[in-house]
Amino acid sequence: DAGVTQSPTHLIKTRGQHVTLRCSPISGHKSVSWYQQVLGQGPQFIFQYYEKEERGRGNFPDRFSARQFPNYSSELNVNALLLGDSALYLCASSLGAGDNSPLHFGNGTRLTVT
Amino acid sequence: AQSVTQLDSQVPVFEEAPVELRCNYSSSVSVYLFWYVQYPNQGLQLLLKYLSGSTLVKGINGFEAEFNKSQTSFHLRKPSVHISDTAEYFCAVNPIRGSQGNLIFGKGTKLSVKP
Repeated sequence: DAGVTQSPTHLIKTRGQHVTLRCSPISGHKSVSWYQQVLGQGPQFIFQYYEKEERGRGNFPDRFSARQFPNYSSELNVNALLLGDSALYLCASSLGAGDNSPLHFGNGTRLTVT
Repeated sequence: AQSVTQLDSQVPVFEEAPVELRCNYSSSVSVYLFWYVQYPNQGLQLLLKYLSGSTLVKGINGFEAEFNKSQTSFHLRKPSVHISDTAEYFCAVNPIRGSQGNLIFGKGTKLSVKP
């Protein structure tokens, strides 16, 4: 079975631009979470979506937004990019949003803002 | 609020030696505990998790961890490491009755196994 797939794998953008990152969960998984991993740090929670509804939001500015589609895939959008947005963006899927649904991570999208 | 402290940023060890990666957490509520491994240029892979029951948890690749509630610790151990265990290891928590999608991670420990 295919794991969590993310696209693109690498991306270079300029300050002030907008970016869209995409994630396809494991087949049958209905929950998608997004994390930001800055170099040298642990992943930091951005959003969780379950059944197309936002279930949680981390401490990120409104420039960050996301949505989940009927097929459970998801997009993360970042507007007005800053240099500090350079990071590895990880998507994780799980069967549900509950306590016993372990997260399965994709390999991430490496975003570089210049 | 919860927080996770991984006490060592880097741990060098020789092949076939034992290793312990330390993790302490802070929380005002009961939490679930996790260890993830990240190989270069890859996402995170779940090694093991503690939800309830026995405080000694066994995971994949020969790793195990022990939950110590009084010391708020969840240290990861392996009795004999291999070169292939070289990776970054992350401890994470999330509050019980919370969503497992919202994990709080430590800053990671880079394990370097030398021949």
